[in-house]
Amino acid sequence: SQTIHQWPATLVQPVGSPLSLECTVEGTSNPNLYWYRQAAGRGLQLLFYSVGIGQISSEVPQNLSASRPQDRQFILSSKKLLLSDSGFYLCAWSRLAGVSDEQFFGPGTRLTVL
Amino acid sequence: AQSVTQLDSQVPVFEEAPVELRCNYSSSVSVYLFWYVQYPNQGLQLLLKYLSGSTLVKGINGFEAEFNKSQTSFHLRKPSVHISDTAEYFCAVSRGNTGFQKLVFGTGTRLLVSP
Repeated sequence: SQTIHQWPATLVQPVGSPLSLECTVEGTSNPNLYWYRQAAGRGLQLLFYSVGIGQISSEVPQNLSASRPQDRQFILSSKKLLLSDSGFYLCAWSRLAGVSDEQFFGPGTRLTVL
Repeated sequence: AQSVTQLDSQVPVFEEAPVELRCNYSSSVSVYLFWYVQYPNQGLQLLLKYLSGSTLVKGINGFEAEFNKSQTSFHLRKPSVHISDTAEYFCAVSRGNTGFQKLVFGTGTRLLVSP
């Protein structure tokens, strides 16, 4: 069966510090991968998605970047965090050819920027 | 472009009462529709999805939803809720017939079930 992991589970960082959040998927190959941010009262915002190694698409301009160094690894980064980067970050995957397939979500990382 | 509106940010109900969580979408093309549930500090879990066929879709935990194309709605219902149904519920839409799936989510409805 497939599983998706995210770490760390929680993170408190000062403004201006760097960020690295990691997501890994097990039990599948060539997944589509996604990063979402969930801010209070604002639902889920798609930040990045990837259809393959090194292929990253950004949905909104922001202070963050994403990378996919391996097939089942997706990393969210920032060089300098802003207060507005606080939120709950969710990684998800879906089957590569599955238009109608569901997305499977990780447990999330709660980031607080002080 | 698609969009999703969840009209109620919070719905309080008593245990064993019925509940309906509303979702309306806008799209000029055929769509797939989803309902996800999020328990506190967890990721999202799929409740049910509509792809095609019967407009009444049954999901996990006794939930069901009805696709109404003329009203562009996909409301979620449960005839009798439990305390354990307290969670946030998200409606989402993806554009059908594309080679890649991007979901557009609503802002969520928090269901609060009290004894």
